[in-house]
Amino acid sequence: KAGVTQTPRYLIKTRGQQVTLSCSPISGHRSVSWYQQTPGQGLQFLFEYFSETQRNKGNFPGRFSGRQFSNSRSEMNVSTLELGDSALYLCASSSPGQRETQYFGPGTRLLVL
Amino acid sequence: AQTVTQSQPEMSVQEAETVTLSCTYDTSESDYYLFWYKQPPSRQMILVIRQEAYKQQNATENRFSVNFQKAAKSFSLKISDSQLGDAAMYFCAVNSGGSNYKLTFGKGTLLTVNP
Repeated sequence: KAGVTQTPRYLIKTRGQQVTLSCSPISGHRSVSWYQQTPGQGLQFLFEYFSETQRNKGNFPGRFSGRQFSNSRSEMNVSTLELGDSALYLCASSSPGQRETQYFGPGTRLLVL
Repeated sequence: AQTVTQSQPEMSVQEAETVTLSCTYDTSESDYYLFWYKQPPSRQMILVIRQEAYKQQNATENRFSVNFQKAAKSFSLKISDSQLGDAAMYFCAVNSGGSNYKLTFGKGTLLTVNP
């Protein structure tokens, strides 16, 4: 099976812009979670989608949003970018029978200038 | 709430030797899962090993094994016959499942393997 894929892999934006990141889960996986990784804060949970519904949300401002499509692909959107949004954004997917076990994609590196 | 503590920011090991990475955690749930992930310089997060808290038997995956002490809330990773390719950042994580399937990670341990 192909692994989790994320596009784009690298992104440079300026403050105030918005960005959309995409994640395609492993075939058959219906849960997609998003994490932000920064040197200062480490790995932090953003949100989880399961069967097109947001099931959990981390402690991030409303500028961070996401959605999931019927084919389980997910997108994450960040509006009004701030310098502090520069990070590695990781997407992970899990199967219906083992929702707790998450497999990660290669990540999208976002740099906000 | 879940917390994970990795007290060793950095560790080093000689090739072919054994190294143990420490992790302690806290969760109010009685049913949960513990994981070790490896993140090499490519930044790809790779699942190394998984432990179900209700199972007393320690998980093993080839050269990787864990020492799970539920009462002490301790979950250490042992890497045997260390290889150069094992060099990476290692993260311990807990997932309590239930209605909240989020992973909570420790700060990580950077493992260096010396030839």
